[in-house]
Amino acid sequence: GAVVSQHPSWVICKSGTSVKIECRSLDFQATTMFWYRQFPKQSLMLMATSNEGSKATYEQGVEKDKFLINHASLTLSTLTVTSAHPEDSSFYICSARTINRGPGNTIYFGEGSWLTVV
Amino acid sequence: QKEVEQDPGPLSVPEGAIVSLNCTYSNSAFQYFMWYRQYSRKGPELLMYTYSSGNKEDGRFTAQVDKSSKYISLFIRDSQPSDSATYLCAMSLPGSARQLTFGSGTQLTVLP
Repeated sequence: GAVVSQHPSWVICKSGTSVKIECRSLDFQATTMFWYRQFPKQSLMLMATSNEGSKATYEQGVEKDKFLINHASLTLSTLTVTSAHPEDSSFYICSARTINRGPGNTIYFGEGSWLTVV
Repeated sequence: QKEVEQDPGPLSVPEGAIVSLNCTYSNSAFQYFMWYRQYSRKGPELLMYTYSSGNKEDGRFTAQVDKSSKYISLFIRDSQPSDSATYLCAMSLPGSARQLTFGSGTQLTVLP
């Protein structure tokens, strides 16, 4: 399957600081990437849809000024958690939609990034 | 009512058992159906992908979609301890965005 890489896998930051998480499609081009948040023992919650070269589309209830998403190239999207607070501590996962690969534009996930805000 | 319902489990089976995982959904417009496996503290891994109704088999895994009943299943034959994970069903609408709507996930433990 296609490979999606996330970095960092683990990050601990102080309350009030900003943290950037990168999502890269390593062996394919992804015009669309998705960012999810997952709390322990819960399913994935879509935060935003990111299209290359345009502004991200945020889901209802997700603060776009707090969760900044940039999708500057076909292989890279970044999520920046600004002024992080302990309640932002969570597992953040990106996914990328392939084009011209696999059965009908399949979506592959990164390994996820654990954010702990202290 | 959630768009996609999935029994969260936990489900424990002995090694070698046949496992049946299921999801129901309410939106009849869903066309693409997927099963993902997620190990603890890892991102979901795509297991099976099915378009519309029918069966699909891949090794020990079989995915079934019954659009008339709005019901999808994943069967795991000869289950192994390494199959212990959370299994998420997901589905999407036709169209360019192809956002996924997930079930809540079923936690499976295969006991050696």
